[in-house]
Amino acid sequence: ETGVTQSPTHLIKTRGQQVTLRCSSQSGHNTVSWYQQALGQGPQFIFQYYREEENGRGNFPPRFSGLQFPNYSSELNVNALELDDSALYLCASSFTKNTEAFFGQGTRLTVV
Amino acid sequence: GNSVTQMEGPVTLSEEAFLTINCTYTATGYPSLFWYVQYPGEGLQLLLKATKADDKGSNKGFEATYRKETTSFHLEKGSVQVSDSAVYFCALSDQNYGGSQGNLIFGKGTKLSVKP
Repeated sequence: ETGVTQSPTHLIKTRGQQVTLRCSSQSGHNTVSWYQQALGQGPQFIFQYYREEENGRGNFPPRFSGLQFPNYSSELNVNALELDDSALYLCASSFTKNTEAFFGQGTRLTVV
Repeated sequence: GNSVTQMEGPVTLSEEAFLTINCTYTATGYPSLFWYVQYPGEGLQLLLKATKADDKGSNKGFEATYRKETTSFHLEKGSVQVSDSAVYFCALSDQNYGGSQGNLIFGKGTKLSVKP
């Protein structure tokens, strides 16, 4: 059974650009959550997808958007990148909405 | 709103020392409480959890008790090892989103370094 995998592991973007981060959920999991972890801070909840529908959103602007696909993998898209978007982006999947979340290793995004 | 406050780090201990990392929370309703651990270069791993008042979560020698009266969930271990060196995060589930564990509110993390 494979765990949660995220790609890419690192990337560098320029302010104003757009970025797409990808997450493959653990086999059998239908729920994916995304978190932003700034340096020296705890992760902050961005949003959650359950069976391809958004199921809750944190305090992030609309330029943060997501998708979940029929195979339950997910994408996080960020438009008009700002320097403060530099962070580790963590994806977590769970069997369903109310069960333990398993985290991937994250994507380190640097905006210059 | 809901929040988690945990003690500032870093915490440096000698091997076999006693560990306490304090965590307090503010929440409406009855959240579930968690401790996650992040080893260098890795993602978060669930260490232990408690879902109601007076529950004690335990795993790998770590323990934490859900204290509603003091809104606390302090992490303890009787004898730490070098391999316990990591960043520890206290978290609660945000019941406003239907109680799903996926909607977690984290503290800022406490870095623990254990010296041989």
